[in-house]
Amino acid sequence: QKEVEQNSGPLSVPEGAIASLNCTYSDRGSQSFFWYRQYSGKSPELIMFIYSNGDKEDGRFTAQLNKASQYVSLLIRDSQPSDSATYLCAVNQRGSGGGADGLTFGKGTHLIIQP
Amino acid sequence: DAGVIQSPRHEVTEMGQEVTLRCKPISGHDYLFWYRQTMMRGLELLIYFNNNVPIDDSGMPEDRFSAKMPNASFSTLKIQPSEPRDSAVYFCASSSVPRTQYFGPGTRLLVL
Repeated sequence: QKEVEQNSGPLSVPEGAIASLNCTYSDRGSQSFFWYRQYSGKSPELIMFIYSNGDKEDGRFTAQLNKASQYVSLLIRDSQPSDSATYLCAVNQRGSGGGADGLTFGKGTHLIIQP
Repeated sequence: DAGVIQSPRHEVTEMGQEVTLRCKPISGHDYLFWYRQTMMRGLELLIYFNNNVPIDDSGMPEDRFSAKMPNASFSTLKIQPSEPRDSAVYFCASSSVPRTQYFGPGTRLLVL
């Protein structure tokens, strides 16, 4: 059974600091990894995806993947109050094209950025 | 683009009643996904379609759940009969490979 584990939080981070969100997954066949942000009462929206080991940066966001350790993380630099949300980690078995297969989601980490 | 459209946005019904949720994917997207989100279980994939054909329905919890996609611009998820444990937010998402899945606003279902 495919499982994606996240610490539910809440994770409280002061404004301007780095927020670090972590995720582990059980299926070694997983190939694609995604971070979604979900505001309360809203639908998930994609922040980043990563397929290869290492780091991938996009603005204030950095995704990190370590397939050997089955570990994915998301770093948010210069955290803003608007970053306060639940962050969902998701995986699937496709080597590319996260749109072509169902995603397995973690339950999410609730992040609070303190002004 | 209007994005993924779902209706109704909120549904309150009594146990035993039939519930039909509707979804219109983004035009041109050939994949459509139905997910369910609860506090206990998080966001779970129920079923997905490619070019209107169901590809994986292993997440459908019981025979009470059924989904159809009669054409490229419309899909339904039906629960008959509904039970209180079906209360959740149901999301529809669509995609065009290889890009990401775009989620609709969801339908909040409460079964009394």
